[in-house]
Amino acid sequence: KAGVTQTPRYLIKTRGQQVTLSCSPISGHRSVSWYQQTPGQGLQFLFEYFSETQRNKGNFPGRFSGRQFSNSRSEMNVSTLELGDSALYLCASSLARVRGEQFFGPGTRLTVL
Amino acid sequence: SQQGEEDPQALSIQEGENATMNCSYKTSINNLQWYRQNSGRGLVHLILIRSNEREKHSGRLRVTLDTSKKSSSLLITASRAADTASYFCATVFGTSGSRLTFGEGTQLTVNP
Repeated sequence: KAGVTQTPRYLIKTRGQQVTLSCSPISGHRSVSWYQQTPGQGLQFLFEYFSETQRNKGNFPGRFSGRQFSNSRSEMNVSTLELGDSALYLCASSLARVRGEQFFGPGTRLTVL
Repeated sequence: SQQGEEDPQALSIQEGENATMNCSYKTSINNLQWYRQNSGRGLVHLILIRSNEREKHSGRLRVTLDTSKKSSSLLITASRAADTASYFCATVFGTSGSRLTFGEGTQLTVNP
């Protein structure tokens, strides 16, 4: 079974631009979560989607948004990029909202110049 | 702020030695999970322990959970150079769905 895939793997943007990151969960997984990882703040939860509905949201500004499609694939969007948005963005999927283990993708490394 | 705090922040040992990492958290949990991350890549799930469990084993891994002290420890026995990675504990709360709240992580270096 293929793992969680994320595209693109690396991205360089400039301040003020917007970016869309994509995540394809493991087949059959309906829950997709997004995390931001930075050296200063560590791993922080962005949001969780289950069956196309956002079920949880972390403490991030409204510039960060996401969605999930009927095939469980998910995208997250960051608008008006700031230097501090430079981070590794990780997507994770799980079978259902059973609070079990999550399967992480390799991440998208976003650099904002 | 992060729910969990881990110590030590960094640990350097020789191959064959045991490595122990500790994690503390602040509120009641549904379960606690440990993940490994190699060099800024994705996280790999290692083990999950539920709030009503006290100890769990998986291969060379042993996890304990003390809910009265709100702490957990991960023991890696007979460490190998390939165990070099960052290790994170993550907690799940009752109403948080699948949301993981991570600790700060321990950077483990196993020297050959």
